[in-house]
Amino acid sequence: AQTVTQSQPEMSVQEAETVTLSCTYDTSESNYYLFWYKQPPSRQMILVIRQEAYKQQNATENRFSVNFQKAAKSFSLKISDSQLGDTAMYFCACADTNAGKSTFGDGTTLTVKP
Amino acid sequence: EADIYQTPRYLVIGTGKKITLECSQTMGHDKMYWYQQDPGMELHLIHYSYGVNSTEKGDLSSESTVSRIRTEHFPLTLESARPSHTSQYLCASTWGTGWSPLHFGNGTRLTVT
Repeated sequence: AQTVTQSQPEMSVQEAETVTLSCTYDTSESNYYLFWYKQPPSRQMILVIRQEAYKQQNATENRFSVNFQKAAKSFSLKISDSQLGDTAMYFCACADTNAGKSTFGDGTTLTVKP
Repeated sequence: EADIYQTPRYLVIGTGKKITLECSQTMGHDKMYWYQQDPGMELHLIHYSYGVNSTEKGDLSSESTVSRIRTEHFPLTLESARPSHTSQYLCASTWGTGWSPLHFGNGTRLTVT
């Protein structure tokens, strides 16, 4: 069984600044995958970034990067140079290796202010 | 651009009605999922399928049922809708191992009066 916890229900950031969203997880799997998804208001949920648990190097995708601390079971998302279009609900998720079943956290609503 | 389609987008129905939420994907993904999401809340897995004629119940108990007769189609049915079924239902698909991300539809927001 997997659990995912996002301790920040809501966050806000000024445009062009940097913000970090927190996520902790627990799993009994020896190998697993971690994801951040973005759900803009009334729009489709999409992938932001992903990380394989056996890789120590933190994943980066343009302005998005993660801080993966395997021993602490922590997987935070850093958004640099925040843009108005980053306003969305962000979900942290953990997937097992076999079927790709994903467990999601409660989500963090991020508002980017002009 | 969505390659996974859900219809209807919004549905308001009365208690006791039978409804089917449609989900289709054009990507040839073998794995498909239904999640239930209350407003501003986490997603709960209610059904999943690893391929044709394969369906399993998810972590959250649901009175709904699903079928997977064709790879691309994964409809969810409620035989008798109740106000407690009011929620958003998200369909998703993927392929391969857990490394492959989920592709989500736009969701169906169901209101049962």
